[in-house]
Amino acid sequence: AQSVTQLGSHVSVSEGALVLLRCNYSSSVPPYLFWYVQYPNQGLQLLLKYTSAATLVKGINGFEAEFKKSETSFHLTKPSAHMSDAAEYFCAVRVANNNDMRFGAGTRLTVKP
Amino acid sequence: NAGVTQTPKFQVLKTGQSMTLQCAQDMNHEYMSWYRQDPGMGLRLIHYSVGAGITDQGEVPNGYNVSRSTTEDFPLRLLSAAPSQTSVYFCASSYSRQPTYEQYFGPGTRLTVT
Repeated sequence: AQSVTQLGSHVSVSEGALVLLRCNYSSSVPPYLFWYVQYPNQGLQLLLKYTSAATLVKGINGFEAEFKKSETSFHLTKPSAHMSDAAEYFCAVRVANNNDMRFGAGTRLTVKP
Repeated sequence: NAGVTQTPKFQVLKTGQSMTLQCAQDMNHEYMSWYRQDPGMGLRLIHYSVGAGITDQGEVPNGYNVSRSTTEDFPLRLLSAAPSQTSVYFCASSYSRQPTYEQYFGPGTRLTVT
């Protein structure tokens, strides 16, 4: 079955610094990959998704992610962190002919002033 | 559109009690699902539905029942609550079961079982 692993349960960056949140997937068939963000006491909101059209995917709020098949990775980046980016981020994978969407354990991003 | 709505937002149950968590969507989505979120474990799929009258089990279905009589509603029933079911529950919906479609999430229900 497909799965994702998020490296680092907590990441702390300074405002204006690069944000890098890591996600590796495991799948025997082509995966579809998603990044969601969860602000405190809210539901999940889609940041971006990879559906095989382009390996570099741009999302909302200045985030982007690159699908690297050779590394089985889909890391999320943002060039310059903002205080409002503080939240929990989830990577998720879905495959064809399977109704299951599997989520990583999440990475909590803290942004220091 | 209201999107995906869930009620109640908070609930406290005693062990052995039963209750229903409500979920509704107004986007005419075919696919609906229930997840539970526990610290350090991400979201785990409980049950899902690919259309009215069709439901199936996810990763952690034990202790929960679902039904889907309409496209809009997908309630989750706890048959006999246990402390292990203390969690935050999210309902989600998607236009299609196809994997390219993202899911839209409700605001969640925080359940405590004492």
